[in-house]
Amino acid sequence: QVHLQESGPGLVKPSETLSLTCSVSGVSVRSDNYFWGWVRQPPGKGPEWIGTVYYSGSPMYNPSLKSRVTISEDTSKNQILLEVTSVTAADTAVYYCMSHSGGKAVAPRDWGLGTLVIVSS
Amino acid sequence: SYVLTQTPSVSVAPGQTARITCGGDNIGYKSVHWYQQKPGQAPFLVVYDDRDRPSGIPERFSGSNSGNTATLTISRVEVGDEADYYCQVWNNSSDQWVYGGGTKLTVL
Repeated sequence: QVHLQESGPGLVKPSETLSLTCSVSGVSVRSDNYFWGWVRQPPGKGPEWIGTVYYSGSPMYNPSLKSRVTISEDTSKNQILLEVTSVTAADTAVYYCMSHSGGKAVAPRDWGLGTLVIVSS
Repeated sequence: SYVLTQTPSVSVAPGQTARITCGGDNIGYKSVHWYQQKPGQAPFLVVYDDRDRPSGIPERFSGSNSGNTATLTISRVEVGDEADYYCQVWNNSSDQWVYGGGTKLTVL
């Protein structure tokens, strides 16, 4: 059973960098054929995919966010990291970590509880 | 980019059948996944690959997909089914997940 837990600052100032961590338990982030992704959901709106990584593969990013987003793996801590640069109020959202195995198009079944990030001065 | 369109809201009485649709260009050629989301909770997978149910999901939840429309059907709707429902597909041509805008199911 994969368990995911997001953590990070709940408040980020405009123009700064948002950094979040997804702590993974139950499976190694280096496992073959496991995919690790981030999704965000602004208040009152639907989910928006941010990006997905998999061990030894190239990250895949939402084209609308690609210029500002980096997703990476910290294998020593078994964590998935998210950075979003130059944030604005539009980046205010609940950020979720998700995972799935078996292929990039397989439905993600495992989600963290999410963490709310507010962008405000 | 690929767009998924959902009706914003659906209302049904308890015991009736709710049908929630997800429209997309030739969506019938893609695998559609459906998530249920209750307030303050993460999305929860209820149907995957058009019509399959994860273990623990009641048979009341079913799915279909053909042409330009995928449908999530909830039979014998219960008060506990009241939630937002989102469809999701993997767009192979751009290597990205796409979500529908969501449908709020209200159980009258």
